[in-house]
Amino acid sequence: KAGVTQTPRYLIKTRGQQVTLSCSPISGHRSVSWYQQTPGQGLQFLFEYFSETQRNKGNFPGRFSGRQFSNSRSEMNVSTLELGDSALYLCASSFGSDYEQYFGPGTRLTVT
Amino acid sequence: GESVGLHLPTLSVQEGDNSIINCAYSNSASDYFIWYKQESGKGPQFIIDIRSNMDKRQGQRVTVLLNKTVKHLSLQIAATQPGDSAVYFCAESSYTGNQFYFGTGTSLTVIP
Repeated sequence: KAGVTQTPRYLIKTRGQQVTLSCSPISGHRSVSWYQQTPGQGLQFLFEYFSETQRNKGNFPGRFSGRQFSNSRSEMNVSTLELGDSALYLCASSFGSDYEQYFGPGTRLTVT
Repeated sequence: GESVGLHLPTLSVQEGDNSIINCAYSNSASDYFIWYKQESGKGPQFIIDIRSNMDKRQGQRVTVLLNKTVKHLSLQIAATQPGDSAVYFCAESSYTGNQFYFGTGTSLTVIP
């Protein structure tokens, strides 16, 4: 069974721009979570979607948003990029609450 | 907020020895825990999980121990191999939501 896929794998943007990242979950998984990973900070939870509804949200500014489509694919958007947004953005999918999450390879975003 | 911390940021072991990676958590309501392994350039890979109704769970060469009294989690890797070199994260969540909190990670280096 195919794993979680994320596109693009690498992205370079300049400050003030916006970016959209995409995640395709494992077939049959309805929950998609997004995380930001930076050196020394570990993984920080951004938000989780289940059946097209945002169920949980981490402590990130409103510039970070997401959505989920009826086929469970998810996108996250970051508007007005800042240098501090440079990070590895990881997507994880699961069947639902209280199930193990499986991660994609991530999108490496660099903001210059 | 939630707090999941790791006792040691780095750990070096000889090939063939057993490794123990520790993790402390602060939310007594957490009832589901996962250990992940992350190799350079890849997303976290699920290793093993444990629920709060268990104290111990074994997988292939790995064992997770949960001590709810002191809110401590450990991952034991038997006969550590060079391929085990990676960063290991523990993550916790509660049944109230599919939101995982991750520690900052322990870097395991296996010396041949």
